[in-house]
Amino acid sequence: DTAVSQTPKYLVTQMGNDKSIKCEQNLGHDTMYWYKQDSKKFLKIMFSYNNKELIINETVPNRFSPKSPDKAHLNLHINSLELGDSAVYFCASSPPRTSGLYQETQYFGPGTRLLVL
Amino acid sequence: AQSVTQPDIHITVSEGASLELRCNYSYGATPYLFWYVQSPGQGLQLLLKYFSGDTLVQGIKGFEAEFKRSQSSFNLRKPSVHWSDAAEYFCAVSNFGNEKLTFGTGTRLTIIP
Repeated sequence: DTAVSQTPKYLVTQMGNDKSIKCEQNLGHDTMYWYKQDSKKFLKIMFSYNNKELIINETVPNRFSPKSPDKAHLNLHINSLELGDSAVYFCASSPPRTSGLYQETQYFGPGTRLLVL
Repeated sequence: AQSVTQPDIHITVSEGASLELRCNYSYGATPYLFWYVQSPGQGLQLLLKYFSGDTLVQGIKGFEAEFKRSQSSFNLRKPSVHWSDAAEYFCAVSNFGNEKLTFGTGTRLTIIP
């Protein structure tokens, strides 16, 4: 069974369109994340949600809006797509902290490759 | 702010040879350090992590890494690489109370026969 899944795997669209990427985890984790990997493979966090509440928002344009209907899902909606949005978007999740001393491991999905034409 | 530097963009090694990938971090307190691997067209998989304790940590697939506070380094090593190790390797840092992972720019590993 896939632990963290994303749909679609590939997304090709025109500039100006609105699109969504879905993420689901079946690990029972409380925290979910979206990362963007650019063409140079640089990975940067965009958002983090804990129990459906936004906890990290890394100065991402407000064209990007994450939505967490429940703690197993974190979807990413992008309005008015631009050429620079072309990238691979990774979803990740992590379990609740079992101890205040440690950060739990993040488990990544396979990525969604977005190409804006 | 925390940051990670991976000075080697691309490394090529022969199959069976030893490997060391470099990672330097910048953070004031004790960092939490991670190595992830990304195979072509795939997501990221955790190889190993360091939080505290023994500075030499063992991971999956025969990898190990050593935390050296004096050098602000967390280099990844493997005594003998296999062709299947060809991938992109990312070092990442976080800290206590902060869920955010900051990644380095990655090192691409090529294995030659």
